[in-house]
Amino acid sequence: GESVGLHLPTLSVQEGDNSIINCAYSNSASDYFIWYKQESGKGPQFIIDIRSNMDKRQGQRVTVLLNKTVKHLSLQIAATQPGDSAVYFCAENTQNTGTASKLTFGTGTRLQVTL
Amino acid sequence: SQTIHQWPATLVQPVGSPLSLECTVEGTSNPNLYWYRQAAGRGLQLLFYSVGIGQISSEVPQNLSASRPQDRQFILSSKKLLLSDSGFYLCAWSAFDTQYFGPGTRLTVL
Repeated sequence: GESVGLHLPTLSVQEGDNSIINCAYSNSASDYFIWYKQESGKGPQFIIDIRSNMDKRQGQRVTVLLNKTVKHLSLQIAATQPGDSAVYFCAENTQNTGTASKLTFGTGTRLQVTL
Repeated sequence: SQTIHQWPATLVQPVGSPLSLECTVEGTSNPNLYWYRQAAGRGLQLLFYSVGIGQISSEVPQNLSASRPQDRQFILSSKKLLLSDSGFYLCAWSAFDTQYFGPGTRLTVL
């Protein structure tokens, strides 16, 4: 079946270091991927997305890498700050009817930034 | 810009009582709308989605129902709550494939 999973449930990073959060997906037909950040008690916040015709996309301090060969997605956060502490979810577009997308979410990785 | 609202923010209800959670979107027309549930420390489970007024697709059999009476309004309901209905309920909207989430409603069923 379709699934999206994460390798590390908790990642502890020192302030100023770079963070890498990994995600594996199983549906090779998926064509769109999103990373979300969720702070405690809040809704997920869109961070960055990437389509399957790309292997890298950069935003402000964040980079998403897509390796379709091994079905792997990663989120890199440069110069991690205390405000980056949150749970990060990857999501995979598993269905596109032409009118609505359906996303499958991983279980999440908690990023803890230490001072 | 688009904004999405959910209320109430928190809710404590006894088992067997009814439920109505509301979601509204501003700044866009004819959005796709979604209801998710998130158990503590877990990922998001899609419950319902809607591509237009009166059009509801259910993803999992459950004690809940959804309705879309207006273009930018999505309602999650139950006639009788179960303990297992407790969780964090999230509404999301999309124009096509990127989904944007509301602030959520924390529901506790006692």
